[in-house]
Amino acid sequence: DQQVKQNSPSLSVQEGRISILNCDYTNSMFDYFLWYKKYPAEGPTFLISISSIKDKNEDGRFTVFLNKSAKHLSLHIVPSQPGDSAVYFCAASSSGAGSYQLTFGKGTKLSVIP
Amino acid sequence: DTGVSQDPRHKITKRGQNVTFRCDPISEHNRLYWYRQTLGQGPEFLTYFQNEAQLEKSRLLSDRFSAERPKGSFSTLEIQRTEQGDSAMYLCASGLSGPGSPLHFGNGTRLTVT
Repeated sequence: DQQVKQNSPSLSVQEGRISILNCDYTNSMFDYFLWYKKYPAEGPTFLISISSIKDKNEDGRFTVFLNKSAKHLSLHIVPSQPGDSAVYFCAASSSGAGSYQLTFGKGTKLSVIP
Repeated sequence: DTGVSQDPRHKITKRGQNVTFRCDPISEHNRLYWYRQTLGQGPEFLTYFQNEAQLEKSRLLSDRFSAERPKGSFSTLEIQRTEQGDSAMYLCASGLSGPGSPLHFGNGTRLTVT
């Protein structure tokens, strides 16, 4: 039973255009959402997060949008750069769970074409 | 901030042997997590420590697995009587207390059981 779903295994985008990565969740207890980027042979690197009291959070070229009623979030990267090519993981946690463990999706591989 | 360090980076072992991995977290972080990642999947939670106390274990953590964090600093993950199904990337992460606090991952130990 996957609680965090990333339904697109891969995405290709031209350099300079917008990349939109999507994520859906099923557990209503999740109230923190994070995006991680992973390069081959490296561990995931934290990118940006959002709490459920907000619907948008922005950090430079990265913006995360949260639609609580739809249990959906998305990561926008504008403009996309070749160095953004990586696997992106959506993760969620619940402040009600003492461990604050992250539950991850399966990832979306983003390829930015020069 | 030297980041989360894991050793070894790669381990090849024969089925039935025991293996031990080490993780050195970011020194200011009181929480330490172990995750496992297999091909095409996101990281899956195994266990976590707050300081030296192991507070939660996933059902993925069979009795062949044991984790310790003896002085609340580094941690070890031991797998006894390895099986081919244990082949995976084992990721360690550390973080501060509090919901939504991002986890910082090491580069992982890739285990191959032959």
